[in-house]
Amino acid sequence: DGGITQSPKYLFRKEGQNVTLSCEQNLNHDAMYWYRQDPGQGLRLIYYSQIVNDFQKGDIAEGYSVSREKKESFPLTVTSAQKNPTAFYLCASSMAVTEAFFGQGTRLTVV
Amino acid sequence: QQPVQSPQAVILREGEDAVINCSSSKALYSVHWYRQKHGEAPVFLMILLKGGEQKGHEKISASFNEKKQQSSLYLTASQLSYSGTYFCGTVPTDTDKLIFGTGTRLQVFP
Repeated sequence: DGGITQSPKYLFRKEGQNVTLSCEQNLNHDAMYWYRQDPGQGLRLIYYSQIVNDFQKGDIAEGYSVSREKKESFPLTVTSAQKNPTAFYLCASSMAVTEAFFGQGTRLTVV
Repeated sequence: QQPVQSPQAVILREGEDAVINCSSSKALYSVHWYRQKHGEAPVFLMILLKGGEQKGHEKISASFNEKKQQSSLYLTASQLSYSGTYFCGTVPTDTDKLIFGTGTRLQVFP
């Protein structure tokens, strides 16, 4: 079945550590996005990519990094520079700017 | 840059109607509407392209006023399954970002 998969579902990180969240899609979509969700703040765009080997910063890119080496994959690294990383992270993909399909999310907690 | 949604929350009885508004400060190419149940991924409802069209999806429909950069989502004869948080997503004409609003929490009671 086609879809978009995020892993892990839950992730715990010690302060000062980098962690990488995985996002894989087999929908043959060109565009992929990473959003952060905090209570009462909706979905805020971290990074997005329209084609392989190219990506752009969203509204809250500081403390995050991404790569797009393959069309199917768009991993997000939360670096130690991100001061408040505890949040729910959602990955999405779409064909150009049509309907976006979301993964089930990764809940990251700093311990 | 986030579009502004109103109201922030709505409480309904089954069968009642509701309207959720989305307003952007930028000229828009398209507006998307999604519904998210607690702890789940957002699910696509509909997309409206510039041109002021209105779309329908069962008892849920939406309009897009391109000149005012506003969209409204209409929920009629609400059902318990309509409960969740509704997000509008906007794509400005000068970029290919998909940016979401802060959400509207809708609760439907029997």
